[in-house]
Amino acid sequence: QFVLTQPPSVSGAPGQRVTISCTGSSSNIGGGYDVHWYQQLPGKAPKLLIYGDSNRASGVPDRFSGSKSGTSASLAITGLQAEDEADYYCQSYDSSLSGSVLFGGGTKLTVL
Amino acid sequence: QLLLQQSGPGLLKPSETLSLTCTVSGDSISSGYHYWVWIRQPPGKGLEWIGTIYYTGSSYSIPSLKSRVSISVDTSKNQFSLRLSSVTAADTAIYFCARLRSAALPDAFDSWGQGTLVTVSS
Repeated sequence: QFVLTQPPSVSGAPGQRVTISCTGSSSNIGGGYDVHWYQQLPGKAPKLLIYGDSNRASGVPDRFSGSKSGTSASLAITGLQAEDEADYYCQSYDSSLSGSVLFGGGTKLTVL
Repeated sequence: QLLLQQSGPGLLKPSETLSLTCTVSGDSISSGYHYWVWIRQPPGKGLEWIGTIYYTGSSYSIPSLKSRVSISVDTSKNQFSLRLSSVTAADTAIYFCARLRSAALPDAFDSWGQGTLVTVSS
């Protein structure tokens, strides 16, 4: 299916910390290509959260952070809030797919 | 304030051609500071990049759609467009236009259109 693998779902209680993983390979994340993260609220367009592995986009709270190691990347959300309930997508680039942009399959975050 | 406004029909019959336009306000496509893209999302599923275009008209697209996709730009109208020929039910999706954060490929998409649900049905 998707070259970038994300867990289908994660959940956490308000105030807790959750992480969402994004696993790729040596031709994408492991090849040094940047990973970006998006939040998609129901019925809305995706919104850029993190670019270049760990840089927060304008206006994004510091509760959101990104990291990368080897062939994987992670999005961490601390101090979970009800409004964080959404779908989250990672995105990168793959050198083996002729300029292809890759998205992960998406992770549904449920705030309990 | 940057705004990407999409337009185009939402209902097509199989074998017809999908045609969508993204009108940009608050930025100039011809500035050359950004690339512009089309992305789609089948209902209830994940995101799929379709293709990318620069103000010069240089474009490229996902190999699986390459034979059916045409992406063009009209700098005089500050618009870029997507055409997808011979559509089938598998092309039913929400289509988004978006802006690449910079002119340095690859990069993130920092601004998105509102999305257009295109349904292919006989």
